[in-house]
Amino acid sequence: DADVTQTPRNRITKTGKRIMLECSQTKGHDRMYWYRQDPGLGLRLIYYSFDVKDINKGEISDGYSVSRQAQAKFSLSLESAIPNQTALYFCATSDPGTGESGELFFGEGSRLTVL
Amino acid sequence: AQSVTQLDSQVPVFEEAPVELRCNYSSSVSVYLFWYVQYPNQGLQLLLKYLSGSTLVKSINGFEAEFNKSQTSFHLRKPSVHISDTAEYFCAVSLKAAGNKLTFGGGTRVLVKP
Repeated sequence: DADVTQTPRNRITKTGKRIMLECSQTKGHDRMYWYRQDPGLGLRLIYYSFDVKDINKGEISDGYSVSRQAQAKFSLSLESAIPNQTALYFCATSDPGTGESGELFFGEGSRLTVL
Repeated sequence: AQSVTQLDSQVPVFEEAPVELRCNYSSSVSVYLFWYVQYPNQGLQLLLKYLSGSTLVKSINGFEAEFNKSQTSFHLRKPSVHISDTAEYFCAVSLKAAGNKLTFGGGTRVLVKP
């Protein structure tokens, strides 16, 4: 089983619908992240959380919200989806013991299409 | 704010030929540098990283990257590619004391042809 699991892996929805993408991890890491991948733009940080009580905005947080339900779970929500939120979304974790030099561990991604 | 530029969006290369993927970054403070690889339909995984010390870093599968502070570059090379190296490669930087918030380049797609 994957250490970082994302659900759903693929989702097609309509403009205006609420969508939740879920991430769970078995690595025991405190730090979790949500990134968005668009062709030619690489990955951009949406939100990150360094522990259960800590939530921080990334560079492109508008239109998104997150919930850190437990150390192992970090969900991303789109309250009212719009077509330009069509993208591949990645959850990632890292070990705070490795500081800023540590590795990020990624899930396999959730492909979201907003029609 | 820091930024990362990958100069080539796609690099076609024949099997057993060398490949170089270029990465330049800008930052007013010290950074850590990373290369991640994304194989088709998978998440990203760390290929190699530069933290300090020797400016040449190597991966277990034959890739190497050299940190050049004066040119603010971190180019990735492999002397002889395999079909299995077909993937997208991302250069990324992390500011020291910024908590693993990576800034990624736009990616370079490598297609290895037989």
